[in-house]
Amino acid sequence: GENVEQHPSTLSVQEGDSAVIKCTYSDSASNYFPWYKQELGKRPQLIIDIRSNVGEKKDQRIAVTLNKTAKHFSLHITETQPEDSAVYFCAAIQLIRMRFGAGTRLTVKP
Amino acid sequence: DSGVTQTPKHLITATGQRVTLRCSPRSGDLSVYWYQQSLDQGLQFLIQYYNGEERAKGNILERFSAQQFPDLHSELNLSSLELGDSALYFCASSVGRGGNTGELFFGEGSRLTVL
Repeated sequence: GENVEQHPSTLSVQEGDSAVIKCTYSDSASNYFPWYKQELGKRPQLIIDIRSNVGEKKDQRIAVTLNKTAKHFSLHITETQPEDSAVYFCAAIQLIRMRFGAGTRLTVKP
Repeated sequence: DSGVTQTPKHLITATGQRVTLRCSPRSGDLSVYWYQQSLDQGLQFLIQYYNGEERAKGNILERFSAQQFPDLHSELNLSSLELGDSALYFCASSVGRGGNTGELFFGEGSRLTVL
């Protein structure tokens, strides 16, 4: 079936370090790749997204890169802060075909 | 506040019972999505409605059903409940017909506990 693989499942970094989360998708027709952040006990919220006609997008400390040929995309968080601690979900979407990754639990240690 | 309202926030029931979860999308959003999130698990897509019509179906069990009403609110019906149905059920809405038209706005979720 069409899946989204997300790695790592858990990630622990020291405050100020960078964090990278990677996702691989199989549906070559996917053209929209959002990232959602879910804090403990809260609802998922969109933090950044990228469309297939763009290779990279940046918003302050957060960036996403997309390699369509290899069918993988990554979330980069620089200068991590304790409030970045959460579960992050990637998704690969093509119109009505929508798949989320299993999530990455990021812990930023002060 | 995302603008998506879900009720009830918490629900405890017994195996074999039936429950209904309700979702009101953001004003102007025509699409409603339902997701199931079990403990420490990812978001499992259940079903999507667009303007009253079923648009896409994911891993939704036959014991589960949903609908979207003319006022665009949606209900998810879960019947013959099993222990494994205990989860957080999220509703999300978006303005467009497809999931790639933009951000999904999630509600706070309905936590279902089946005893």
